[in-house]
Parts: sequence; structure tokens; C-alpha cells
Amino acid sequence: SYELTQPPSVSVSPGQTANITCSGDKLGDKSSCWFQQKPGQSPVLVIYQDTKRPSGIPERFSGSNSGNTATLTISGTQAMDEADYYCQTWDISTGVFGGGTKLTVL
Amino acid sequence: EVQLVESGGGLVKPGGSLSLSCAASGFTFSGYNMNWVRQAPGKGLEWVSSISSGSGYIYYADSLKGRFTISRDSAGDSLYLHMNSLRAEDTAVYFCARGDRFSGFDYWGQGTLVTVSS
Repeated sequence: SYELTQPPSVSVSPGQTANITCSGDKLGDKSSCWFQQKPGQSPVLVIYQDTKRPSGIPERFSGSNSGNTATLTISGTQAMDEADYYCQTWDISTGVFGGGTKLTVL
Repeated sequence: EVQLVESGGGLVKPGGSLSLSCAASGFTFSGYNMNWVRQAPGKGLEWVSSISSGSGYIYYADSLKGRFTISRDSAGDSLYLHMNSLRAEDTAVYFCARGDRFSGFDYWGQGTLVTVSS
């Protein structure tokens, strides 16, 4: 079965850029999404189709996907961005999530 | 305003059955693919199942091995998940989510907790 691998944790200082990676075999040939989840809340879509940002998502969130790696970039990270982040793709018609990355804003 | 409200969670014994519902409002339900995603306590997200807008295409996670059935009622704007032969490892918050590979899962419900325990 298809697998997506994320680092368990990423730390960033306020105002700096955070990069969260998601690796999978030929992931760049698939479409990827990213979700933000804060404690006790439902996930929120922050990136879809690799690079698109839903309405209401701040411009500091951006995405890329090439080769075997999709990346979520948060520019000018704020304290409110501290959360768990999950990548997701489709393996033919099966949904697949990465294991999640805890972003800590120190 | 798009709203998805899950219900039907609770405590069930191993081997038992349970049906979850997701009531949709604020959008044309019949025009969207729908999904179930679960999250075990303290764990990550796991895709469970998807159903197309017209119910013609249905997919499940391989790990479910035929124990779960997704369905929808467009007349009543509701999504369902019927779960059989429940196991302790099915214990999770179950979310319904709108969307597909093109839109992403753009709206989520608040989730309903299913606990499988004797």
C-alpha cells in the first residue's frame, strides 16, 4: 500500500519560515493536500492541488510538490500556526494521509 | 454556511455494530463527493471511505476488509457509515468531510467518538 512519510516534529522561531515535508513514491505525479489541526479541533484544509490555497487561508501558507516530496511552507510563522499538519494524497481511488508533523513555534 | 454534523457515536462491545450519520446543510449535498476520516486517540488521521455524488463510486480503506458500508441519502442530505464486527482498534473520532481529489476535503464536521470496549 502507498505510504506518506512526514517528520514527527518541526520547530521554528516566530517570524521565520517553516518547511514541512511529505515523502512518497513519485508523489509529484499525484495531487497533494495539507491540513492543519489544532488540539481538540477538526482538521482545516490549508493547501489543495499541491499549491492552491482555499479562501480564508493566509498567504503565508504555500505548497509545492515535485519528485518524491511535497512541501508545506509557512512564511513569517506566527504563534497561532502551532498545530499538527497532515499531508494527504490519493493512490488511485484510496485516500492516504501522512503520519502528521507537530509544528512548534518557539 | 456549510455545516456537517456527525452523530451516532458511542460505546459498543467488540463484535458489535454501529451506524454513524452526518447531516449536511448550507450546500447542494447531491453535487459533492463525501468521505469518512477517523482519528484514534492521540494518533493521526486515517482515511476510511469515500462515496461519489451519485453513489456510483464507493471506495474503502483496505484495512476495513468489508466491515464498513458507506451510503448517502441525497433527499435527506445525509451521509452514513455502518460499521460491523467492531474491534478495539476501531476506537476513534469519526469525521465526515466534503470533497475529492480536486477540491480537497474542504469542510469537516466536528466528529463523533466511537469507543469499542467490553
